[in-house]
Amino acid sequence: AQSVAQPEDQVNVAEGNPLTVKCTYSVSGNPYLFWYVQYPNRGLQFLLKYITGDNLVKGSYGFEAEFNKSQTSFHLKKPSALVSDSALYFCASWNSGNTPLVFGKGTRLSVIA
Amino acid sequence: SQTIHQWPATLVQPVGSPLSLECTVEGTSNPNLYWYRQAAGRGLQLLFYSVGIGQISSEVPQNLSASRPQDRQFILSSKKLLLSDSGFYLCAWSVRLSGNTGELFFGEGSRLTVL
Repeated sequence: AQSVAQPEDQVNVAEGNPLTVKCTYSVSGNPYLFWYVQYPNRGLQFLLKYITGDNLVKGSYGFEAEFNKSQTSFHLKKPSALVSDSALYFCASWNSGNTPLVFGKGTRLSVIA
Repeated sequence: SQTIHQWPATLVQPVGSPLSLECTVEGTSNPNLYWYRQAAGRGLQLLFYSVGIGQISSEVPQNLSASRPQDRQFILSSKKLLLSDSGFYLCAWSVRLSGNTGELFFGEGSRLTVL
């Protein structure tokens, strides 16, 4: 069975500093990996995904994520955090077919001015 | 382009009352459809998903049921609400079968408060 772990409930970072939100996965075969963001009282918005190819994936709003097969990780990164990046971030994995995405429990990011 | 609509956006219901949340998708055919619940702004719990009309998979035994009367319509229901049914309910869709890369597209959510 596949699973996704987000080891941090909360990440705090100062505005302008780089940010990292961690994600590790356990998936048989080749994983499809995703990051979503959720602002208060809103639905989830797609940020980026890894399917195959380049290990560094670039997404929306200046975010990127690095796929590391040996460490089974897919950490979300941004070089310079903005206060408006404060939100709940979800990592997710998908195997194949019509099975649903498997989500991590989420990490709340707070960017402090 | 595809869009997904959920309503109502906010709902306050007494314990024991019925529930109906509706979700429709436009601009695509034969989508996979999903209902998630999110409690207290945290993790997502998959409640139901559907790969076609009348085909519903239940992930968690509970007080809720789902139906898919039309290809792009997904309804979440309860006959008698419990306090524990309070939460933020999210509908989502994905491309079906050969075009599916797993990506989910979410609606804006329905916040249910049971009093």
